[in-house]
Amino acid sequence: AQKVTQAQTEISVVEKEDVTLDCVYETRDTTYYLFWYKQPPSGELVFLIRRNSFDEQNEISGRYSWNFQKSTSSFNFTITASQVVDSAVYFCALSVGSKFYFGSGTKLNVKP
Amino acid sequence: DAGITQSPRHKVTETGTPVTLRCHQTENHRYMYWYRQDPGHGLRLIHYSYGVKDTDKGEVSDGYSVSRSKTEDFLLTLESATSSQTSVYFCAISEAGTRMNEQFFGPGTRLTVL
Repeated sequence: AQKVTQAQTEISVVEKEDVTLDCVYETRDTTYYLFWYKQPPSGELVFLIRRNSFDEQNEISGRYSWNFQKSTSSFNFTITASQVVDSAVYFCALSVGSKFYFGSGTKLNVKP
Repeated sequence: DAGITQSPRHKVTETGTPVTLRCHQTENHRYMYWYRQDPGHGLRLIHYSYGVKDTDKGEVSDGYSVSRSKTEDFLLTLESATSSQTSVYFCAISEAGTRMNEQFFGPGTRLTVL
Protein backbone atom coordinates (compact mmCIF):
# COMPACT_ATOMS: atom_id res chain seq x y z
CA ALA A 1 0.00 0.00 0.00
CA GLN A 2 1.11 3.53 -0.67
CA LYS A 3 0.93 6.30 1.88
CA VAL A 4 2.14 9.86 2.35
CA THR A 5 2.42 11.41 5.78
CA GLN A 6 2.78 15.09 6.49
CA ALA A 7 2.95 15.16 10.27
CA GLN A 8 3.00 18.95 10.53
CA THR A 9 -0.58 20.13 10.32
CA GLU A 10 0.20 23.83 10.67
CA ILE A 11 3.37 25.88 11.01
CA SER A 12 3.68 29.57 11.83
CA VAL A 13 6.85 31.54 11.22
CA VAL A 14 7.86 35.16 11.05
CA GLU A 15 8.93 36.58 7.72
CA LYS A 16 12.58 35.89 6.77
CA GLU A 17 12.75 32.76 8.88
CA ASP A 18 13.67 29.48 7.21
CA VAL A 19 11.09 26.70 7.41
CA THR A 20 11.15 23.01 6.51
CA LEU A 21 8.06 21.03 5.62
CA ASP A 22 8.35 17.31 6.24
CA CYS A 23 7.08 14.52 4.02
CA VAL A 24 7.44 10.79 4.63
CA TYR A 25 6.20 8.27 2.12
CA GLU A 26 5.61 4.53 2.04
CA THR A 27 5.74 2.28 -0.98
CA ARG A 28 7.16 -1.09 -1.89
CA ASP A 29 7.59 -0.16 -5.52
CA THR A 30 11.07 0.70 -6.71
CA THR A 31 9.83 3.08 -9.39
CA TYR A 32 7.84 6.04 -8.17
CA TYR A 33 7.64 9.81 -8.33
CA LEU A 34 7.36 12.40 -5.61
CA PHE A 35 5.80 15.84 -5.91
CA TRP A 36 5.13 19.01 -4.01
CA TYR A 37 2.12 21.22 -4.66
CA LYS A 38 1.17 24.60 -3.25
CA GLN A 39 -2.40 25.69 -2.55
CA PRO A 40 -2.58 29.42 -1.78
CA PRO A 41 -5.63 30.95 -0.11
CA SER A 42 -7.19 31.47 -3.54
CA GLY A 43 -7.61 27.69 -3.75
CA GLU A 44 -5.82 26.60 -6.91
CA LEU A 45 -3.27 23.80 -6.80
CA VAL A 46 0.13 24.72 -8.18
CA PHE A 47 2.77 22.15 -9.13
CA LEU A 48 6.20 22.91 -7.62
CA ILE A 49 8.51 19.98 -8.24
CA ARG A 50 8.74 16.37 -9.43
CA ARG A 51 11.42 13.89 -8.41
CA ASN A 52 11.75 10.26 -9.52
CA SER A 53 12.91 7.41 -7.31
CA PHE A 54 16.22 7.03 -9.14
CA ASP A 55 17.29 10.61 -8.67
CA GLU A 56 18.30 11.50 -5.12
CA GLN A 57 20.01 14.70 -6.12
CA ASN A 58 18.77 17.62 -4.08
CA GLU A 59 17.36 20.57 -5.91
CA ILE A 60 17.38 24.28 -5.30
CA SER A 61 15.15 26.77 -7.05
CA GLY A 62 15.52 30.28 -5.73
CA ARG A 63 14.39 30.27 -2.10
CA TYR A 64 13.03 26.72 -2.40
CA SER A 65 15.02 23.54 -1.90
CA TRP A 66 14.11 19.89 -1.70
CA ASN A 67 15.91 17.08 0.10
CA PHE A 68 15.08 13.57 -1.12
CA GLN A 69 16.44 10.71 1.00
CA LYS A 70 15.45 7.17 0.06
CA SER A 71 17.10 5.77 3.20
CA THR A 72 14.53 7.53 5.35
CA SER A 73 11.71 7.64 2.75
CA SER A 74 11.55 11.38 3.07
CA PHE A 75 11.15 14.25 0.64
CA ASN A 76 11.40 17.45 2.65
CA PHE A 77 10.84 20.97 1.39
CA THR A 78 12.68 24.00 2.73
CA ILE A 79 11.79 27.63 2.16
CA THR A 80 14.66 30.00 2.91
CA ALA A 81 13.92 33.54 4.05
CA SER A 82 10.17 33.00 4.02
CA GLN A 83 7.83 35.68 2.74
CA VAL A 84 4.19 36.44 3.41
CA VAL A 85 3.37 35.26 -0.12
CA ASP A 86 4.57 31.79 0.87
CA SER A 87 1.54 31.41 3.13
CA ALA A 88 -0.37 28.46 1.73
CA VAL A 89 -1.16 24.81 2.23
CA TYR A 90 1.58 22.59 0.85
CA PHE A 91 0.90 19.04 -0.27
CA CYS A 92 3.38 16.24 -0.79
CA ALA A 93 2.33 13.49 -3.21
CA LEU A 94 3.53 10.09 -4.37
CA SER A 95 2.72 8.47 -7.70
CA VAL A 96 3.09 4.79 -8.46
CA GLY A 97 2.03 3.85 -11.96
CA SER A 98 -0.91 6.03 -12.84
CA LYS A 99 -2.22 6.64 -9.32
CA PHE A 100 -1.37 9.53 -7.06
CA TYR A 101 -1.45 9.62 -3.27
CA PHE A 102 -1.50 12.90 -1.38
CA GLY A 103 -0.57 13.77 2.15
CA SER A 104 -3.04 15.71 4.26
CA GLY A 105 -1.12 18.94 3.77
CA THR A 106 0.79 21.40 5.92
CA LYS A 107 -0.60 24.88 6.36
CA LEU A 108 2.17 27.45 6.46
CA ASN A 109 1.46 30.86 7.98
CA VAL A 110 4.14 33.47 7.39
CA LYS A 111 3.60 36.54 9.52
CA PRO A 112 5.05 39.95 8.68
CA ASP B 1 -1.21 27.22 -17.45
CA ALA B 2 -2.65 23.85 -18.43
CA GLY B 3 -6.02 24.20 -20.13
CA ILE B 4 -8.39 22.65 -17.63
CA THR B 5 -11.82 23.97 -16.82
CA GLN B 6 -14.46 22.72 -14.44
CA SER B 7 -18.16 23.46 -14.47
CA PRO B 8 -20.01 24.51 -12.51
CA ARG B 9 -17.62 26.27 -10.16
CA HIS B 10 -20.18 26.40 -7.36
CA LYS B 11 -23.32 24.37 -6.80
CA VAL B 12 -25.86 24.02 -4.02
CA THR B 13 -28.19 21.07 -4.22
CA GLU B 14 -30.50 19.06 -2.04
CA THR B 15 -30.05 15.58 -0.62
CA GLY B 16 -31.21 12.88 -3.00
CA THR B 17 -30.77 14.81 -6.24
CA PRO B 18 -28.34 13.71 -8.95
CA VAL B 19 -25.45 16.03 -9.71
CA THR B 20 -22.98 16.02 -12.60
CA LEU B 21 -19.69 17.87 -12.60
CA ARG B 22 -17.76 18.41 -15.81
CA CYS B 23 -14.04 18.58 -16.44
CA HIS B 24 -12.77 19.76 -19.81
CA GLN B 25 -9.14 19.79 -20.99
CA THR B 26 -7.47 21.19 -24.06
CA GLU B 27 -4.09 19.47 -23.48
CA ASN B 28 -4.93 16.08 -25.01
CA HIS B 29 -3.59 14.31 -21.90
CA ARG B 30 -4.44 10.65 -21.62
CA TYR B 31 -5.14 10.52 -17.89
CA MET B 32 -7.87 12.41 -16.07
CA TYR B 33 -8.72 12.27 -12.38
CA TRP B 34 -11.41 13.37 -9.95
CA TYR B 35 -10.47 14.18 -6.35
CA ARG B 36 -12.33 15.53 -3.40
CA GLN B 37 -10.69 17.79 -0.85
CA ASP B 38 -11.89 17.86 2.74
CA PRO B 39 -10.24 19.40 5.81
CA GLY B 40 -7.73 17.03 7.39
CA HIS B 41 -7.81 14.61 4.47
CA GLY B 42 -5.89 16.33 1.74
CA LEU B 43 -6.90 15.14 -1.71
CA ARG B 44 -8.57 11.79 -2.08
CA LEU B 45 -8.97 10.04 -5.41
CA ILE B 46 -12.54 9.26 -6.45
CA HIS B 47 -12.12 7.86 -9.96
CA TYR B 48 -9.69 8.21 -12.78
CA SER B 49 -9.58 7.54 -16.50
CA TYR B 50 -6.74 6.25 -18.64
CA GLY B 51 -8.47 6.69 -21.96
CA VAL B 52 -11.82 7.10 -23.65
CA LYS B 53 -14.29 4.77 -21.93
CA ASP B 54 -11.50 3.42 -19.69
CA THR B 55 -12.00 4.24 -16.03
CA ASP B 56 -11.08 2.84 -12.64
CA LYS B 57 -12.01 3.42 -9.02
CA GLY B 58 -10.07 5.36 -6.46
CA GLU B 59 -10.15 5.15 -2.68
CA VAL B 60 -13.48 6.96 -2.16
CA SER B 61 -15.57 5.88 -5.15
CA ASP B 62 -18.79 4.84 -3.37
CA GLY B 63 -21.71 7.02 -4.44
CA TYR B 64 -19.90 8.35 -7.50
CA SER B 65 -19.76 7.32 -11.14
CA VAL B 66 -17.78 8.69 -14.05
CA SER B 67 -17.85 8.71 -17.81
CA ARG B 68 -15.41 9.67 -20.51
CA SER B 69 -16.79 9.60 -24.03
CA LYS B 70 -14.21 12.01 -25.44
CA THR B 71 -10.56 12.59 -24.64
CA GLU B 72 -11.23 16.13 -23.49
CA ASP B 73 -14.21 15.55 -21.18
CA PHE B 74 -14.48 13.64 -17.90
CA LEU B 75 -17.80 13.72 -16.05
CA LEU B 76 -18.36 12.97 -12.39
CA THR B 77 -21.88 12.04 -11.31
CA LEU B 78 -23.23 11.87 -7.79
CA GLU B 79 -26.10 9.49 -8.30
CA SER B 80 -28.05 10.63 -5.23
CA ALA B 81 -26.25 13.41 -3.41
CA THR B 82 -25.78 13.18 0.36
CA SER B 83 -24.55 15.75 2.87
CA SER B 84 -21.31 13.77 3.26
CA GLN B 85 -20.52 14.62 -0.36
CA THR B 86 -20.31 18.31 0.44
CA SER B 87 -16.74 19.05 -0.59
CA VAL B 88 -14.46 20.77 -3.05
CA TYR B 89 -13.94 18.67 -6.15
CA PHE B 90 -10.83 18.94 -8.27
CA CYS B 91 -10.19 17.52 -11.68
CA ALA B 92 -6.62 16.80 -12.75
CA ILE B 93 -4.86 15.70 -15.91
CA SER B 94 -1.57 13.91 -16.40
CA GLU B 95 0.59 12.04 -18.82
CA ALA B 96 1.14 9.31 -16.22
CA GLY B 97 3.78 6.74 -17.06
CA THR B 98 5.97 9.27 -18.80
CA ARG B 99 8.77 11.41 -17.44
CA MET B 100 6.49 14.45 -17.46
CA ASN B 101 3.84 12.90 -15.28
CA GLU B 102 2.96 15.64 -12.86
CA GLN B 103 -0.71 16.37 -12.44
CA PHE B 104 -2.22 19.70 -13.40
CA PHE B 105 -5.38 20.70 -11.65
CA GLY B 106 -8.53 22.51 -12.58
CA PRO B 107 -9.83 25.42 -10.47
CA GLY B 108 -12.16 23.24 -8.41
CA THR B 109 -15.92 22.98 -7.87
CA ARG B 110 -17.41 23.78 -4.50
CA LEU B 111 -20.45 21.54 -3.93
CA THR B 112 -22.84 21.96 -1.03
CA VAL B 113 -25.48 19.32 -0.39
CA LEU B 114 -28.24 20.51 1.94
